[in-house]
Amino acid sequence: GAGVSQSPRYKVAKRGQDVALRCDPISGHVSLFWYQQALGQGPEFLTYFQNEAQLDKSGLPSDRFFAERPEGSVSTLKIQRTQQEDSAVYLCASSPGTNDYGYTFGSGTRLTVV
Amino acid sequence: AQKITQTQPGMFVQEKEAVTLDCTYDTSDQSYGLFWYKQPSSGEMIFLIYQGSYDEQNATEGRYSLNFQKARKSANLVISASQLGDSAMYFCAMRRYNTDKLIFGTGTRLQVFP
Repeated sequence: GAGVSQSPRYKVAKRGQDVALRCDPISGHVSLFWYQQALGQGPEFLTYFQNEAQLDKSGLPSDRFFAERPEGSVSTLKIQRTQQEDSAVYLCASSPGTNDYGYTFGSGTRLTVV
Repeated sequence: AQKITQTQPGMFVQEKEAVTLDCTYDTSDQSYGLFWYKQPSSGEMIFLIYQGSYDEQNATEGRYSLNFQKARKSANLVISASQLGDSAMYFCAMRRYNTDKLIFGTGTRLQVFP
């Protein structure tokens, strides 16, 4: 596609429910990132993939968060047993290579845990 | 530790005037990159401008320019001839050399009025 596509656009989950957020990067982009943006804050890094390899997951806040990119294209961010503090916008970004500045962000998934 | 500071939560500017959005950063690295992004209400992060730490000239992209003062560790964004469509959140971000993750500031909300 022309841009980074994220789905769903909005998700309401009951506390304790598992959720899965999808990111479709730009075709051919090697690098893929997930960021978490709390209300009124800047995005915070969660995890980074280079092709299918997860090279950095230092930003994942707990073991309830899990991300995968099995074929080096589409990525899924899964949150198990959601908590209220997980409420945020989850942004996905991709870039053609590594260590460049051509990041393209998606519009994000707004997760609300009730 | 790497940190980005944006001290202006909100700024107002009249249409066609210039505005400066402040950004200071903290790093002990010699090599790094600085970014500015625009985030309209639709949520996606739009890349505006990039400055490498070794770039001797200030970056410019159309109406955007980056006032880079390395000794002061500041990277202010200047928007010339503001337009109503410039109303949005603006984020400054930094990337360490040889890593790919971005560290964002808390953002500045710019409102352009007629």
